Amino acid sequence: GDSVTQMEGPVTLSEEAFLTINCTYTATGYPSLFWYVQYPGEGLQLLLKATKADDKGSNKGFEATYRKETTSFHLEKGSVQVSDSAVYFCAAFPSGGGADGLTFGKGTHLIIQP
Amino acid sequence: DAGVIQSPRHEVTEMGQEVTLRCKPISGHDYLFWYRQTMMRGLELLIYFNNNVPIDDSGMPEDRFSAKMPNASFSTLKIQPSEPRDSAVYFCASSWWDTGDEQFFGPGTRLTVL
Repeated sequence: GDSVTQMEGPVTLSEEAFLTINCTYTATGYPSLFWYVQYPGEGLQLLLKATKADDKGSNKGFEATYRKETTSFHLEKGSVQVSDSAVYFCAAFPSGGGADGLTFGKGTHLIIQP
Repeated sequence: DAGVIQSPRHEVTEMGQEVTLRCKPISGHDYLFWYRQTMMRGLELLIYFNNNVPIDDSGMPEDRFSAKMPNASFSTLKIQPSEPRDSAVYFCASSWWDTGDEQFFGPGTRLTVL
């Protein structure tokens, strides 16, 4: 079945550092790809998405580009803030799949120090 | 819109007791999902409903777990009898039929079984 692999955490950075969280997927066809974010004590919320190859999703200064050739969807941000501290989940949704097809990675805990 | 509502937010109970978790999805959403999140296993899909009908409960860990959706605005997840290994954060999420790839999560219920 489909699977999503993301880098293990925690990832600890200083404020204003550059962020990359790696994510790769295994799926038949071309799934839609997502990054969800979970702030402390809250549920997951959609951060950004991309539905086809070479699409770039962006939101709140975060970006991720759908790379078909490397089956990747790495999350990046040029200058992180303390408020970005959260757990980030990469997810894939197969093309033509049913609603149960959303597959999550295990999550990467990001800690930003002032 | 109030978003997905879950209650209680925290539940502490003793082993062997019955636990009932509640969820109110976003109005108009056709799908409802129950997830469990633990440090060891990450985010696991337990069961999901479409138009109040359970579609896939293959993620329900054992017969001690049951879920119902008596109407479009309410669902319950029941554990009877509860065990310490059931301690986790339980999330409810909902989505629309035609954008089933984007799920909206509730704040979760943190369950502790002593």
